[in-house]
Amino acid sequence: GNSVTQMEGPVTLSEEAFLTINCTYTATGYPSLFWYVQYPGEGLQLLLKATKADDKGSNKGFEATYRKETTSFHLEKGSVQVSDSAVYFCALSGDPGSARQLTFGSGTQLTVLP
Amino acid sequence: KAGVTQTPRYLIKTRGQQVTLSCSPISGHRSVSWYQQTPGQGLQFLFEYFSETQRNKGNFPGRFSGRQFSNSRSEMNVSTLELGDSALYLCASSLAGGAEAFFGQGTRLTVV
Repeated sequence: GNSVTQMEGPVTLSEEAFLTINCTYTATGYPSLFWYVQYPGEGLQLLLKATKADDKGSNKGFEATYRKETTSFHLEKGSVQVSDSAVYFCALSGDPGSARQLTFGSGTQLTVLP
Repeated sequence: KAGVTQTPRYLIKTRGQQVTLSCSPISGHRSVSWYQQTPGQGLQFLFEYFSETQRNKGNFPGRFSGRQFSNSRSEMNVSTLELGDSALYLCASSLAGGAEAFFGQGTRLTVV
């Protein structure tokens, strides 16, 4: 079946540091890949997505590239802010081009210190 | 455009009772999915409804059920509640064939 392995947290960074959160996946076919963010007491917000190999998703300074050869979708940001503190989830949908029946990683807690 | 609305936000129930949670999707979205979030198991897919039909179901016991109405609103029901059912229940909606799922704020269920 499908699975997502995400870098264990928590991750603590200083403001303006570089962020990488690793994500690898196992799936048959060509899944769509997503990063979601969850702020305390809230639901999930879509941060970015990629629906085919070599696609780069980007939003609010965050980027991730769909690497089929390494089955990875690592999240990066060049300079984090205190407001980026949240839990980040990598996810995949086994239904190509859709966001149905998402399989999530375990989440990575990010804390950014001023 | 209004987002996904889940009601109630918080619930406290006693073991053995049943509970019904509600989800109103974004206008025009016909697909509604439900997820359970717990500290131990993380985020797990419960089921998906499209045009009043269940399309997919996750690996949960039959105590967990759902339905969707003609206006795409969805409800999920949990019968004979157990302590382990305490969780944040999230609903997500998407367009038919859409590549984005939009989540509600969730319903926090506590079973005592």
